[in-house]
Amino acid sequence: AQTVTQSQPEMSVQEAETVTLSCTYDTSESDYYLFWYKQPPSRQMILVIRQEAYKQQNATENRFSVNFQKAAKSFSLKISDSQLGDAAMYFCAYRSAFRGGSGGSNYKLTFGKGTLLTVNP
Amino acid sequence: GAGVSQSPSNKVTEKGKDVELRCDPISGHTALYWYRQSLGQGLEFLIYFQGNSAPDKSGLPSDRFSAERTGGSVSTLTIQRTQQEDSAVYLCASSLGGRERDQPQHFGDGTRLSIL
Repeated sequence: AQTVTQSQPEMSVQEAETVTLSCTYDTSESDYYLFWYKQPPSRQMILVIRQEAYKQQNATENRFSVNFQKAAKSFSLKISDSQLGDAAMYFCAYRSAFRGGSGGSNYKLTFGKGTLLTVNP
Repeated sequence: GAGVSQSPSNKVTEKGKDVELRCDPISGHTALYWYRQSLGQGLEFLIYFQGNSAPDKSGLPSDRFSAERTGGSVSTLTIQRTQQEDSAVYLCASSLGGRERDQPQHFGDGTRLSIL
């Protein structure tokens, strides 16, 4: 079974500064997806960024970028020019790329326990 | 368009009562997932529906939990004889499903369930 570990329960950053959130995972699969989700107090899970394991290039989405180290099974999120609206719980998640025998159940997401990010003005 | 809709937003009930939580996925999404988020924890997979296939129930924590999906659209998660450890936020997600593997899951706002 896959596991996802986020070793930082809480992080804080000054507005306009850069912060990096850590995530490691364990899997025996070679093809998979990794995600970072943001959960503000409204509870809705918002997809921030996605990385496909077979792609060498690190994904970027505006101020958000990842450092994907496949051999080390590490997937960190970097937030540049932090804004007050970035304050939220951030979850790292894993999903297999292989369709399961039951018709796709491998597509379930496995989440870490989250990192609470505080942005100080 | 409309996102994933969940109701109720909050539910408080007494221990031992049954509860039903509802999820209305995005129109056209054939895949539907239920997750549970306990206090201070990440999301835990409960059950998955894909079209007319048999659901994957491997994440349900006990036989007090069940779910159905009528007409391939709305889903109901039922918890019977609720216990205090059932207190959590229950999140529903949907995706296009099908054979395309790169289908992101879209989440609702969840139902916060509190068992007294």
